[in-house]
Amino acid sequence: DTGVSQNPRHKITKRGQNVTFRCDPISEHNRLYWYRQTLGQGPEFLTYFQNEAQLEKSRLLSDRFSAERPKGSFSTLEIQRTEQGDSAMYLCASSLFEEGTEAFFGQGTRLTVV
Amino acid sequence: GNSVTQMEGPVTLSEEAFLTINCTYTATGYPSLFWYVQYPGEGLQLLLKATKADDKGSNKGFEATYRKETTSFHLEKGSVQVSDSAVYFCALPRGGKLIFGQGTELSVKP
Repeated sequence: DTGVSQNPRHKITKRGQNVTFRCDPISEHNRLYWYRQTLGQGPEFLTYFQNEAQLEKSRLLSDRFSAERPKGSFSTLEIQRTEQGDSAMYLCASSLFEEGTEAFFGQGTRLTVV
Repeated sequence: GNSVTQMEGPVTLSEEAFLTINCTYTATGYPSLFWYVQYPGEGLQLLLKATKADDKGSNKGFEATYRKETTSFHLEKGSVQVSDSAVYFCALPRGGKLIFGQGTELSVKP
C-alpha cells in the first residue's frame, strides 16, 4: 500500500464552477477524514466517514460542500459554485477505528479559485 | 470545549540549537496527544505521540512529555538540523477526529 492518495494535486477553477476531489485511503482503514488548511493555520475538520457512513459534518461547512464514500472505499469531496474563499489546501486522512489512533494524511489538493 | 494552543511562529534557529515548541490543550479526561510535522511540499506525518499522562513520546531526536498537571505536551529537540525545517502541529484526538493547533513554522539556518 502506498499510503493515502489524493487527486488532483492542484486545481485552478473560475468562481462559480463546481469542483470534485478524490481521496483513496489506506485499504484497511475504515475511517476517512476531510480537512481544509489555509496558509498559517492548522487543518480544520470538515467531515469524516466510518466505512460508507458519514458520521459528522462540521457546522462551519457550507451546504455547497458535499462528500461521499460509496462502498466504504475511496471518497469524493465536491464544492459547488466555488467562491474565492474556498481557496485552500484540502487534506484527506484515514485511520483505523480506535479512538486515539494515528491518522495518515495524503499530500492534499490545492484549490485556487480565480 | 476541546482545543489546542501552540506557540506562534515562525521560529528561526541556528543549526545545533535547542528547540522548544509549546503546546497546551483543553479537554476532559486524559486523551492521547500527537505531534505532526509537515515538510515543505509534503503531507502531514506523525512525528510522535503519547497515549496517557506522564508518557514521553520520542522520534528522530524529538521528545515530548504529556504533563497532565499543566495540560501540556511541549516538543523539544536538543540539537536541530537544517532538515528539521518544517511546520509542526500539536493535535488532540476527540470525538472521532483530530483537533489541531495552528502550527509553528521552524526554520533552521546553517
